[in-house]
Amino acid sequence: AQTVTQSQPEMSVQEAETVTLSCTYDTSESDYYLFWYKQPPSRQMILVIRQEAYKQQNATENRFSVNFQKAAKSFSLKISDSQLGDAAMYFCAGDSNYQLIWGAGTKLIIKP
Amino acid sequence: NAGVTQTPKFQVLKTGQSMTLQCAQDMNHNSMYWYRQDPGMGLRLIYYSASEGTTDKGEVPNGYNVSRLNKREFSLRLESAAPSQTSVYFCASSYTLAELTDTQYFGPGTRLTVL
Repeated sequence: AQTVTQSQPEMSVQEAETVTLSCTYDTSESDYYLFWYKQPPSRQMILVIRQEAYKQQNATENRFSVNFQKAAKSFSLKISDSQLGDAAMYFCAGDSNYQLIWGAGTKLIIKP
Repeated sequence: NAGVTQTPKFQVLKTGQSMTLQCAQDMNHNSMYWYRQDPGMGLRLIYYSASEGTTDKGEVPNGYNVSRLNKREFSLRLESAAPSQTSVYFCASSYTLAELTDTQYFGPGTRLTVL
């Protein structure tokens, strides 16, 4: 069975600095997709970035980028120039048989 | 364009009571989903609907039923609520199910407490 592990329950970063959130996705599939979602206090889940496993190039969306290491099953999210509005829970998810498998989340705190 | 809407936002039930959570999307999406989110855990899929007229069980379907009323609406029913169903419930939709490249759009959630 596929599993998604986020080993950092909480991370903090100084405003304008860079932070990396970790995720591992254990799967026997060779082709799959990985996602990072943000959940602010409003509770709504917002897609941050997604990565296709067969693509060599790491995905980038403005200040957000991923470092995908397929062999190591690692899918980390890097947030550059952190802003106060980035404070939220961040969830990593991977697809499996038409379902998303979710990690437990990392709480990101931004220090002004 | 409201996206995905859910009602109610909050609900308190007594054990054994029933209720229906409503979800609607105005993005012309084919697929819809119901998740629950418990403290310290990621989302878990309860049921999903690949397209109008079809529904399938997810990871944790016991104690729930769903109805895909039409393309826009997907409801979740608790027939006899139990304290273990205390959770935050999210509805989501995506254009298709078959291609998991599709982004899932989430509603704001319903916080349900069962006493």
